[in-house]
Amino acid sequence: TQLLEQSPQFLSIQEGENLTVYCNSSSVFSSLQWYRQEPGEGPVLLVTVVTGGEVKKLKRLTFQFGDARKDSSLHITAAQPGDTGLYLCAGAGRGSTLGRLYFGRGTQLTVWP
Amino acid sequence: NAGVTQTPKFQVLKTGQSMTLQCAQDMNHEYMSWYRQDPGMGLRLIHYSVGAGITDQGEVPNGYNVSRSTTEDFPLRLLSAAPSQTSVYFCASSYSWRGAQETQYFGPGTRLLVL
Repeated sequence: TQLLEQSPQFLSIQEGENLTVYCNSSSVFSSLQWYRQEPGEGPVLLVTVVTGGEVKKLKRLTFQFGDARKDSSLHITAAQPGDTGLYLCAGAGRGSTLGRLYFGRGTQLTVWP
Repeated sequence: NAGVTQTPKFQVLKTGQSMTLQCAQDMNHEYMSWYRQDPGMGLRLIHYSVGAGITDQGEVPNGYNVSRSTTEDFPLRLLSAAPSQTSVYFCASSYSWRGAQETQYFGPGTRLLVL
């Protein structure tokens, strides 16, 4: 059972298009993180959101944490080929699951020039 | 700083063989963890450690052992390899496990094939 559901699983778009990736759960997390992974490498942290309703921007990437701290979205404006990669969301456990990080299955994004 | 290092990069095993995947970090991080990544499955937590001498199970611990005798090292042992353990294994570390905003630093991964 996957605690975090990511959608879509694959996304193939042209350069300049906008896109949104969703990360949903029925569980509440103490924080939610977004990572990007290149082929043959480990994931690299993009952002952490902690407060319900929080919005963070990283250049053309906008991250939002749901009010109830169960879901998050990643929006990319004017996608570029350099944005190609696997995007993973991860929720940090709380209480009895403190210390654990739960990952979604990932969204494979391909941006064509 | 080298960050998080993993050895070997690639390994082929036969069913029933045992081996140890090595992980080391030079950032004096308190928290270390092991994940496996399978196609379409994201990363799944195998074992983690919140400090030297302390380890705990993650989501998929069966068939794997860990120990944490030093802050720097967190080896993962496969006791009797099975084809279902064919995967890419990532080690990660963070400064502590107490904060909700801790950044996980991942190693480059070990690609394991069990025949």
